[in-house]
Amino acid sequence: RKEVEQDPGPFNVPEGATVAFNCTYSNSASQSFFWYRQDCRKEPKLLMSVYSSGNEDGRFTAQLNRASQYISLLIRDSKLSDSATYLCAGGGNTGKLIFGQGTTLQVKP
Amino acid sequence: GAVVSQHPSRVICKSGTSVKIECRSLDFQATTMFWYRQFPKKSLMLMATSNEGSKATYEQGVEKDKFLINHASLTLSTLTVTSAHPEDSSFYICSASGTERAYEQYFGPGTRLTVT
Repeated sequence: RKEVEQDPGPFNVPEGATVAFNCTYSNSASQSFFWYRQDCRKEPKLLMSVYSSGNEDGRFTAQLNRASQYISLLIRDSKLSDSATYLCAGGGNTGKLIFGQGTTLQVKP
Repeated sequence: GAVVSQHPSRVICKSGTSVKIECRSLDFQATTMFWYRQFPKKSLMLMATSNEGSKATYEQGVEKDKFLINHASLTLSTLTVTSAHPEDSSFYICSASGTERAYEQYFGPGTRLTVT
């Protein structure tokens, strides 16, 4: 079993839709979690940190469920520019991050 | 803030040659730098972790004699791919974290290596 797992998708949604991604992790000792966005042939960019019960930033909401060992990302009112691959990552006290394989989102007009 | 640069952005080399990739933190001191490799449509795979002034810690299956890492200062780490082969062709990305928000990593723009 992979340490961090994501549904690769692709998720094809119309503009304005709400879409949610889940990411599960197997290491219960993981302490910190992140969502990164990666555009084609580019580096990942930090989207949100998810440290405790979750947080919200504009149209984006991230949640952490420690009991079930998953984190989620909710995107409301999808824009064409949201099309990208979304990577979740979990880390422990070493600072190392383990990444999921990413979920591809395609927002259609 | 938290800008990381990487050089070169793209390199094509012949099989058997060595390639050096530089990773710099431009506006913060990077106590730790990480080197990743990413194959097309695959996830980021951590290769090694380097702390300034000490030897890098390599992930299982990564040959330390083939992928030489040097972290000589708080703003610079280098990865040298020695005796490159076509199967080493990949997207190499570094990331850096500082003392504040130590768990957040900021990525360089990556280096696309093609070995012919």
